[in-house]
Amino acid sequence: DTAVSQTPKYLVTQMGNDKSIKCEQNLGHDTMYWYKQDSKKFLKIMFSYNNKELIINETVPNRFSPKSPDKAHLNLHINSLELGDSAVYFCASSDKDITYEQYFGPGTRLTVT
Amino acid sequence: DAKTTQPPSMDCAEGRAANLPCNHSTISGNEYVYWYRQIHSQGPQYIIHGLKNNETNEMASLIITEDRKSSTLILPHATLRDTAVYYCIVRVGFGNEKLTFGTGTRLTIIP
Repeated sequence: DTAVSQTPKYLVTQMGNDKSIKCEQNLGHDTMYWYKQDSKKFLKIMFSYNNKELIINETVPNRFSPKSPDKAHLNLHINSLELGDSAVYFCASSDKDITYEQYFGPGTRLTVT
Repeated sequence: DAKTTQPPSMDCAEGRAANLPCNHSTISGNEYVYWYRQIHSQGPQYIIHGLKNNETNEMASLIITEDRKSSTLILPHATLRDTAVYYCIVRVGFGNEKLTFGTGTRLTIIP
């Protein structure tokens, strides 16, 4: 059983397109996150949701919009994709009281051409 | 969050103990030390955390100096599967504070 899953694993698309990455966790956690790891391997948090409520929004362009239909899912929608959006995107989840122990998904490698 | 400093890379022979240092000289009294690792192309994995006492779990041991300005993660019997980037993170223990990953230490286990 995969604890935190992401789809797709790879995504290749052209500039200007809109795409979504899906994330699901079956751990019963209340808090979910999106991280971006760029080509230099820097891993930075983008968003954090607690029970469908936005908690953290790091200075991310508003082309990025997280959507949480329920507490087990946190999807990432990206509008008007740019070359600089190429990165690996990781979803993670944690218990709301143990936010330091985050469980990460396998990542989605997004390539914008 | 306090800033951490780690060596960019280290090697360790398979079967030996791997000792990964981390400096966090500006750590505050309510900040914990956390360790994560990222095996190639995978999502980061939580390893261990501590406040001021030494900690041990099934994966590793964490030694924090008495002044809490530095710590060492110890992998007692390193295997090839321990080859990864190890991140030392300092942050407040609870609440919605984010994890801030630095550049980490790339540990290579040598056969």
